[in-house]
Amino acid sequence: DVKVTQSSRYLVKRTGEKVFLECVQDMDHENMFWYRQDPGLGLRLIYFSYDVKMKEKGDIPEGYSVSREKKERFSLILESASTNQTSMYLCASSPGTGVFETQYFGPGTRLLVL
Amino acid sequence: RKEVEQDPGPFNVPEGATVAFNCTYSNSASQSFFWYRQDCRKEPKLLMSVYSSGNEDGRFTAQLNRASQYISLLIRDSKLSDSATYLCVVNMRGNEKLTFGTGTRLTIIP
Repeated sequence: DVKVTQSSRYLVKRTGEKVFLECVQDMDHENMFWYRQDPGLGLRLIYFSYDVKMKEKGDIPEGYSVSREKKERFSLILESASTNQTSMYLCASSPGTGVFETQYFGPGTRLLVL
Repeated sequence: RKEVEQDPGPFNVPEGATVAFNCTYSNSASQSFFWYRQDCRKEPKLLMSVYSSGNEDGRFTAQLNRASQYISLLIRDSKLSDSATYLCVVNMRGNEKLTFGTGTRLTIIP
């Protein structure tokens, strides 16, 4: 079974803090993704990576950066957290075999920015 | 117009009933289609892929109508454990990125 893990289930931070969310997958997948999920808006793609050290902006990259130094690990960074970044953050991975593949999600991190 | 559109519900359905959801997508060149299930406060999980000819997995049937740009999910003999949010997911860009609908919330009532 594919396993995607995220470093924290719940996180509380203050405005202006730097926040690191980490994601690890154990299936040697090429692609990794970061989404946020908000009520009424669904899942929105922040960034994704299709290879080590490669990254591509998603639909809402503003205020976020990412790092992928190793294939199994993809980090999301909030340089200066703001209250509008309070959300559920979901990491996902996929094998990288083409358009018919699915994505596997981690359990999510609920971030509250005060 | 949203790229992937679903009726948010909620659908409140008695146990044992049949329920169907539709989802429409905007890009006629979309290539692959999926239904995911998300339980309350959990991550989305793949329920089933949707194939052009339609496909069935136990009590679940998925259909694709390319001409009208919609996909459907039918659940027969619904169980209490079917209570969840069902996400319509489309690959519309020809790469590995997926576009998610906002989900349809289903509650099965005993």
